[in-house]
Amino acid sequence: ETGVTQSPTHLIKTRGQQVTLRCSSQSGHNTVSWYQQALGQGPQFIFQYYREEENGRGNFPPRFSGLQFPNYSSELNVNALELDDSALYLCASSLRGDSNQPQHFGDGTRLSIL
Amino acid sequence: GDSVTQMEGPVTLSEEAFLTINCTYTATGYPSLFWYVQYPGEGLQLLLKATKADDKGSNKGFEATYRKETTSFHLEKGSVQVSDSAVYFCALSDRGSYIPTFGRGTSLIVHP
Repeated sequence: ETGVTQSPTHLIKTRGQQVTLRCSSQSGHNTVSWYQQALGQGPQFIFQYYREEENGRGNFPPRFSGLQFPNYSSELNVNALELDDSALYLCASSLRGDSNQPQHFGDGTRLSIL
Repeated sequence: GDSVTQMEGPVTLSEEAFLTINCTYTATGYPSLFWYVQYPGEGLQLLLKATKADDKGSNKGFEATYRKETTSFHLEKGSVQVSDSAVYFCALSDRGSYIPTFGRGTSLIVHP
């Protein structure tokens, strides 16, 4: 069973730039959720994708966008980067329709904005 | 909406001490409840879960019981080790929503 993998592990960008983060879901999972975790804080839900469509969104501006592909992998795109976007970005996969099952997390991408 | 409230940390204990981390929740339906653990530099890992009232989840010496009457899911361990030092997150997943809700996390520091 292949777990959730995220790339890259670390990234440094400057204000105003754009970034794309990638996630491969665990085999058998069809739903991907993205979270932002600032230092010392809990994960904040960004959005969730199921069957290539956004299935729910947290309190994040439109410059945070995403995609899900037919193989259930996913991308998170952030435009016009701001200093406050510096955080650990976590991807988690799960099987939609079964709320008894936990989220399976990757190790995250550490994004630093200079 | 759904919410999870955890006790604030850090919780600092000596090795072999008893651990309790409190978690209470608010949900509109009948949620499943989870505890996740995050070690430094890593993502979250599932520690244990309970899917209905009075269920007890357990793993690696940790336990938590789903208490519907008090809407609580407190995490306990009888004897902590230095290797248990991490951040612990309580979470729920409501059957009416496929989007989980996480607490803010409680940092545990165990000294030798």
